Amino acid sequence: NAGVTQTPKFQVLKTGQSMTLQCAQDMNHEYMSWYRQDPGMGLRLIHYSVGAGITDQGEVPNGYNVSRSTTEDFPLRLLSAAPSQTSVYFCASNRQADPNTEAFFGQGTRLTVV
Amino acid sequence: LAKTTQPISMDSYEGQEVNITCSHNNIATNDYITWYQQFPSQGPRFIIQGYKTKVTNEVASLFIPADRKSSTLSLPRVSLSDTAVYYCLVPITGGFKTIFGAGTRLFVKA
Repeated sequence: NAGVTQTPKFQVLKTGQSMTLQCAQDMNHEYMSWYRQDPGMGLRLIHYSVGAGITDQGEVPNGYNVSRSTTEDFPLRLLSAAPSQTSVYFCASNRQADPNTEAFFGQGTRLTVV
Repeated sequence: LAKTTQPISMDSYEGQEVNITCSHNNIATNDYITWYQQFPSQGPRFIIQGYKTKVTNEVASLFIPADRKSSTLSLPRVSLSDTAVYYCLVPITGGFKTIFGAGTRLFVKA
């Protein structure tokens, strides 16, 4: 049982480049979300999805796009990378779109923008 | 808007009991209090959840008073491997979002 899988684990981008961080879950979870974590800080919610075809903004959505075409996948797109987007990105899934349910996290993607 | 407040950091020694208190004055009637643990370079993982009184599992205990405006995570006899950040979460009222605060950084010393 893989749980939540994120790829890649590490990535270096140049300013202005675009890329997609992949997130997949095999638990048939309804709710998926993306967070970023800067050094010494807590997690900040970027975008979330309550089901296939439905996405919404979190606390820090600017510079990021998401889509949810299937239940399993929830990719995060950086449109034009900036040094301020250097961070560790975590994807998570919950069985239901209910914050009282347990969130399962991936291992993270460490992104550096130079 | 349910917001949580917890200490930024705590130090302890191996073998001691550690109690981390979280305040959540505006918790909604139907909401639970959930605690997560995060080790360096890893995603957070669920450790315990409760609604009222006391909950205990193999990792921790969670104490919630009758007014539910605070909760205390208790880690019995901590070891060096319990060094981590601990997050207390309460749902945002009426929403689907799971919002993390800054957490409590626990450092266990030998």
